[in-house]
Amino acid sequence: NAGVTQTPKFQVLKTGQSMTLQCAQDMNHEYMSWYRQDPGMGLRLIHYSVGAGITDQGEVPNGYNVSRSTTEDFPLRLLSAAPSQTSVYFCASSSTSGGTYEQYFGPGTRLTVT
Amino acid sequence: AQRVTQPEKLLSVFKGAPVELKCNYSYSGSPELFWYVQYSRQRLQLLLRHISRESIKGFTADLNKGETSFHLKKPFAQEEDSAMYYCALSGAAVSSYKLIFGSGTRLLVRP
Repeated sequence: NAGVTQTPKFQVLKTGQSMTLQCAQDMNHEYMSWYRQDPGMGLRLIHYSVGAGITDQGEVPNGYNVSRSTTEDFPLRLLSAAPSQTSVYFCASSSTSGGTYEQYFGPGTRLTVT
Repeated sequence: AQRVTQPEKLLSVFKGAPVELKCNYSYSGSPELFWYVQYSRQRLQLLLRHISRESIKGFTADLNKGETSFHLKKPFAQEEDSAMYYCALSGAAVSSYKLIFGSGTRLLVRP
């Protein structure tokens, strides 16, 4: 049981390039989300999904796209990278049944945009 | 608006000293409050949640609805407690699955 996995661990992009951050979970969790972590700002929600085929925007969605074609995978796409997107990105998942929804986090992807 | 405030960016204490990490929230309704911890080079993980009223690694946190606070406390800090601590909130008003995080407090426990 690997939990939540993210690839790559590190990535450097040039301004204007696009890429996809991968996230997968093997806990059959319905809810998945993407956060970015910036110094002094905590974690901010980018996009989330409550099940396959259902996604919605979080607090800071601009410049990012997501899709959820399976329960396991929730990739985050950067359409045209900008230096302001330099950050650490965390994927998280949780079950939507059984009470309080503890979120399980991946190890993070550190992205630098030059 | 729903918001979580952690007023201290850095809290530095000596080993054996008491620790209190402050968390205040703004929420209309009945929130669920959490503390998450991130040790160096590790992923974020749940430390404790208010509804379970448990003590984890010697830490406790009590929800004070009158003061809208959920401060994290430990009577005697250990060096291994050094980490980044995030207070977070969820509830029906923000959708039960979504978490709103504070900006975090870095706890440094010196020998």
